[in-house]
Amino acid sequence: DGGITQSPKYLFRKEGQNVTLSCEQNLNHDAMYWYRQDPGQGLRLIYYSQIVNDFQKGDIAEGYSVSREKKESFPLTVTSAQKNPTAFYLCASTSTGLPNQPQHFGDGTRLSIL
Amino acid sequence: GNSVTQMEGPVTLSEEAFLTINCTYTATGYPSLFWYVQYPGEGLQLLLKATKADDKGSNKGFEATYRKETTSFHLEKGSVQVSDSAVYFCAVPNFGNEKLTFGTGTRLTIIP
Repeated sequence: DGGITQSPKYLFRKEGQNVTLSCEQNLNHDAMYWYRQDPGQGLRLIYYSQIVNDFQKGDIAEGYSVSREKKESFPLTVTSAQKNPTAFYLCASTSTGLPNQPQHFGDGTRLSIL
Repeated sequence: GNSVTQMEGPVTLSEEAFLTINCTYTATGYPSLFWYVQYPGEGLQLLLKATKADDKGSNKGFEATYRKETTSFHLEKGSVQVSDSAVYFCAVPNFGNEKLTFGTGTRLTIIP
């Protein structure tokens, strides 16, 4: 079945450490997105990419980095510069071939500070 | 840019009650409109969508009608079940379909 796979499901970060969250999709989608969700809050856009080797900052990009070397993969690195990384991180993708297409989401990674 | 205003939660209802979650939006052009649902500990799932004015999206007993004149897309269900307990998000894409703008989400709890 086609879908989006995020791993790991749970991740713990030590102070001063960078951690990388994986996002892989086999939907042949061009565009991919990373969102942050805090408890009881909505979604905030971190980064997005509409094509391989190109990406744009979202609303809260500080302290995060991404790469898009392959169409199916869009990893997110939470750097030590992100002072409050504890949150639920969601990856999404969508087709850019037709207008008004919905985004498809993975099951999320929950990141906590040790 | 686009904006979505969604009914504040939390909302608690008894099983078999009627549900309405309000959503209004501002957007450029005439985008599609979406409702997503998030069950505890999971990602978002597309619940339903409508692509043009007066379209009605429906799925799992939920319905929402695209009202251009009132810029609204209210979610309704005639008889809710305990399994409908989740967080519901209204969303609208921007003109170039690069990004989705989400509402803040409405947490729904159904008690037996």
